[in-house]
Amino acid sequence: IAGITQAPTSQILAAGRRMTLRCTQDMRHNAMYWYRQDLGLGLRLIHYSNTAGTTGKGEVPDGYSVSRANTDDFPLTLASAVPSQTSVYFCASSPGPNQPQHFGDGTRLSIL
Amino acid sequence: GQNIDQPTEMTATEGAIVQINCTYQTSGFNGLFWYQQHAGEAPTFLSYNVLDGLEEKGRFSSFLSRSKGYSYLLLKELQMKDSASYLCAVVDSNYQLIWGAGTKLIIKP
Repeated sequence: IAGITQAPTSQILAAGRRMTLRCTQDMRHNAMYWYRQDLGLGLRLIHYSNTAGTTGKGEVPDGYSVSRANTDDFPLTLASAVPSQTSVYFCASSPGPNQPQHFGDGTRLSIL
Repeated sequence: GQNIDQPTEMTATEGAIVQINCTYQTSGFNGLFWYQQHAGEAPTFLSYNVLDGLEEKGRFSSFLSRSKGYSYLLLKELQMKDSASYLCAVVDSNYQLIWGAGTKLIIKP
């Protein structure tokens, strides 16, 4: 079934550790996005990529990095996790910026 | 700054009609999306408006007025499964999607 796969589904992590959240799509979408969702704040864009080989910063990029080596994969890395990064992380993709985004099931990350 | 306002929570009765409003102030406008998000799940696409007027899709309709910076989502013949959060999102002049905080809709029997 075509879609977006995120891994892991959930994770508890000690502060200071490095963590990579994985995201893979098989729809050949050009654009991919990483969001965090916190209660009462809605979705906030962390980083995005309009096409393979390019990335851009969203609203809350500090503490996170991404890469887009190919069309399908868009990993998000927390270099040194802090408790304020506890959140639900969603990866999404779309054919283009004006087209509906398709979301993965999310990764629930707790930083202790 | 850019801002999208939606009511935090609404309650409606099964079988009734409910209208969820969204007002926006963004740098430019290139379209407006509505998404549905059930608790603990990912958002799913409902509708897209880029021109003024009403778009109807089954029990759901979405309206846009660009001059007023206003949209609404209309849900008819409410069912218990419609209990969810409804997210309004606007595409700005840089083709970035700006999200509202969402409206939690509670359906009562």
